[in-house]
Amino acid sequence: SAVISQKPSRDICQRGTSLTIQCQVDSQVTMMFWYRQQPGQSLTLIATANQGSEATYESGFVIDKFPISRPNLTFSTLTVSNMSPEDSSIYLCSGQTGTAKNIQYFGAGTRLSVL
Amino acid sequence: KQEVTQIPAALSVPEGENLVLNCSFTDSAIYNLQWFRQDPGKGLTSLLLIQSSQREQTSGRLNASLDKSSGRSTLYIAASQPGDSATYLCAVLNQAGTALIFGKGTTLSVSS
Repeated sequence: SAVISQKPSRDICQRGTSLTIQCQVDSQVTMMFWYRQQPGQSLTLIATANQGSEATYESGFVIDKFPISRPNLTFSTLTVSNMSPEDSSIYLCSGQTGTAKNIQYFGAGTRLSVL
Repeated sequence: KQEVTQIPAALSVPEGENLVLNCSFTDSAIYNLQWFRQDPGKGLTSLLLIQSSQREQTSGRLNASLDKSSGRSTLYIAASQPGDSATYLCAVLNQAGTALIFGKGTTLSVSS
């Protein structure tokens, strides 16, 4: 299985600030994704992180709020900008293998609390 | 738009029982279906993956089936143990292989 490393594992932030979450994957991964899991809810896809170009965002998510970078094949960052308490969630990075199976593996997540 | 539904939302059973978790999806044009386990405050662990051309997959005490035409999957857990207590998530990958859509999960509690 692929190894997905994510940091920080948790953070408590003040309203109006920004937090950047890092995700490192191993070389088996071709596609990378960012998800949000709000309290008591399931996972919602934020965007697909594209290597060397702008991320592809899902409906309801915008680049100004969730800028994403993927400078190389194995590293990506998600920034949660101008945070409000409604942004308190678990943010998860995933990597999908390039094999025919297209299995997605997940990092341990970043638990974010905004005060 | 693909929607994934999991029933029941929560389930409590005594240790040793066999149980079935259900997942349904509205669009049968999927690439694969994955079952995940999530422990409180943790990330996701992949349990089983079923390709769209397959009918079932087994791993230890877990067996997952897929009926793509009716948009249904089940996860069967045999001889449940307290360590099986977690939230189980079902997710379908779209045919293009670019988006994984999750259900809300079934929270399982196994008592000793």
